[in-house]
Amino acid sequence: EAGVVQSPRYKIIEKKQPVAFWCNPISGHNTLYWYRQNLGQGPELLIRYENEEAVDDSQLPKDRFSAERLKGVDSTLKIQPAELGDSAVYLCASSFGGRFFYNEQFFGPGTRLTVL
Amino acid sequence: GENVEQHPSTLSVQEGDSAVIKCTYSDSASNYFPWYKQELGKRPQLIIDIRSNVGEKKDQRIAVTLNKTAKHFSLHITETQPEDSAVYFCAASKITGGGNKLTFGTGTQLKVEL
Repeated sequence: EAGVVQSPRYKIIEKKQPVAFWCNPISGHNTLYWYRQNLGQGPELLIRYENEEAVDDSQLPKDRFSAERLKGVDSTLKIQPAELGDSAVYLCASSFGGRFFYNEQFFGPGTRLTVL
Repeated sequence: GENVEQHPSTLSVQEGDSAVIKCTYSDSASNYFPWYKQELGKRPQLIIDIRSNVGEKKDQRIAVTLNKTAKHFSLHITETQPEDSAVYFCAASKITGGGNKLTFGTGTQLKVEL
């Protein structure tokens, strides 16, 4: 079974430029998460989807970040315009959302963003 | 919101020794506590987790203990091996019907020396 797929793996851009990250979750996983991991820190949740609905986006900087999950499968996270402080690894994770059991989150390899 | 503190930030042990990493959490409603291992440049991977209705869980050389009263939980690795060297993250969550929001600690860099 394929794991969570993310692309690109690395991205270098200049500040004020736009950038987009793509995630394909594990087949059958209806819950998808986007995390940001700064150097030397743990991942921080940006947004969580249940199917195509964003159920928790309280940590997403909505002035410059946007996300979508079309048809409840793949997802795209966009930053426009990027700032120097956005340099980080952006991790996508997925889980099977069931009401009566605990849901392991499976992480993708991440996209390392460098903003110059 | 939930706040998770993790100690120590770095830990160096000799091969074969035990390693202990400790975490505290703030939200008494949290009921799920996973531990992730992240090797350099790779994705975090779940190594063990514990629910709030149990106090201890073991899986071969790895064990996790939970003290709900004190709101802290710990990861224990026995007979450490060089391949255990990595960053370990604890996390806390309240399980909801459709998924869970994990709040991570700041990580512990474990180095197992030969």
